[in-house]
Amino acid sequence: GAGVSQSPSNKVTEKGKDVELRCDPISGHTALYWYRQSLGQGLEFLIYFQGNSAPDKSGLPSDRFSAERTGGSVSTLTIQRTQQEDSAVYLCASSWDLNQPQHFGDGTRLSIL
Amino acid sequence: TQLLEQSPQFLSIQEGENLTVYCNSSSVFSSLQWYRQEPGEGPVLLVTVVTGGEVKKLKRLTFQFGDARKDSSLHITAAQPGDTGLYLCAGAKNSGGSNYKLTFGKGTLLTVNP
Repeated sequence: GAGVSQSPSNKVTEKGKDVELRCDPISGHTALYWYRQSLGQGLEFLIYFQGNSAPDKSGLPSDRFSAERTGGSVSTLTIQRTQQEDSAVYLCASSWDLNQPQHFGDGTRLSIL
Repeated sequence: TQLLEQSPQFLSIQEGENLTVYCNSSSVFSSLQWYRQEPGEGPVLLVTVVTGGEVKKLKRLTFQFGDARKDSSLHITAAQPGDTGLYLCAGAKNSGGSNYKLTFGKGTLLTVNP
């Protein structure tokens, strides 16, 4: 497809389980970003990748959160031992290069029971 | 600490009315972006403003960046039901030559009734 693709679109899991969220950026985009959107909180920056490296992990809320990117393309955001406060929409964006306009996917809605 | 304050938080108007949404901060931004987000979808970029005092028009939407680059406004003329959505402003700060890190406001939820 032409846009940023995220999967799954919805994920419901029990507290304490691990989850993996996937992002397929627009082909050719070198920069990839993860955000979290919680009710009443707006979008919160989590991490970005330039190629396969993540120079800025400052937004990750805790060490239960990690992300990787392989082949300069697909990225996975992993949340270990999920907590109820992790419930949110996780959005991925990509851009041709840093400082270029970011194009967002439709997000993964994560619900922790 | 919320660096970008958007107002109003909610706005419900009739088709044909005009409206203005505000985005304010005490911080200076190198650029400011406006997005519109519809339910179940990601934000879609509407415009980027870079220069203090800059005004950009996109059909019935007019965007203005404050002279001091701390605030911005979005004005919609003759609103239509298709304008309904969550409007988000996002500021970028230049850090080491990069301004990728966007700070988002909480958004203004606009409903335009037929």
